[in-house]
Amino acid sequence: DQQVKQNSPSLSVQEGRISILNCDYTNSMFDYFLWYKKYPAEGPTFLISISSIKDKNEDGRFTVFLNKSAKHLSLHIVPSQPGDSAVYFCAASVTTSGTYKYIFGTGTRLKVLA
Amino acid sequence: DAGVTQSPTHLIKTRGQQVTLRCSPISGHKSVSWYQQVLGQGPQFIFQYYEKEERGRGNFPDRFSARQFPNYSSELNVNALLLGDSALYLCASSVLGDAHSNQPQHFGDGTRLSIL
Repeated sequence: DQQVKQNSPSLSVQEGRISILNCDYTNSMFDYFLWYKKYPAEGPTFLISISSIKDKNEDGRFTVFLNKSAKHLSLHIVPSQPGDSAVYFCAASVTTSGTYKYIFGTGTRLKVLA
Repeated sequence: DAGVTQSPTHLIKTRGQQVTLRCSPISGHKSVSWYQQVLGQGPQFIFQYYEKEERGRGNFPDRFSARQFPNYSSELNVNALLLGDSALYLCASSVLGDAHSNQPQHFGDGTRLSIL
């Protein structure tokens, strides 16, 4: 049962334009959402997060939007740069019975074209 | 400041062997989590340790075990290795052991384990 889904395995965007990466989830108990970026041969790098009590969080070129009624999360990158080319993972945090863990989506490979 | 460090970076084992992977968290971080990432998938949660106690376990068999030491470093042990254990094993650390602190987990670069 895939509780966090990234339905687009890949996305290509022209440099300077907006990149929009999407994520859907099924568990209404998730209380915290994060985006990570991963380059080959490196571990995931934290980008931005949002609490379930908010609907938007912005950090520089990165903005995360949360639509709880739709159970949908998106990451906007404006303007996109070639260095943004990487695999992006959406993750949701859940705490149950004292266990705190992240559940990751399968990732979206973003390619920013110069 | 040093990030999360993992050793070794690569490892080749044969079926039935045992392996120990090591992780040093970011200084000041008391929580360590382990994840398994197979090709084409996102990381899958294996264990979380906080203040040297196991706080959670994912859907992995008993062949997987872990521990956290007084200096907050951690080891992941896998016994009776199977071909399906071939994966990237990621360690992540965070300041506290729960999400309510809103402190994200920071990942190391992982150990690439190949089973022949």
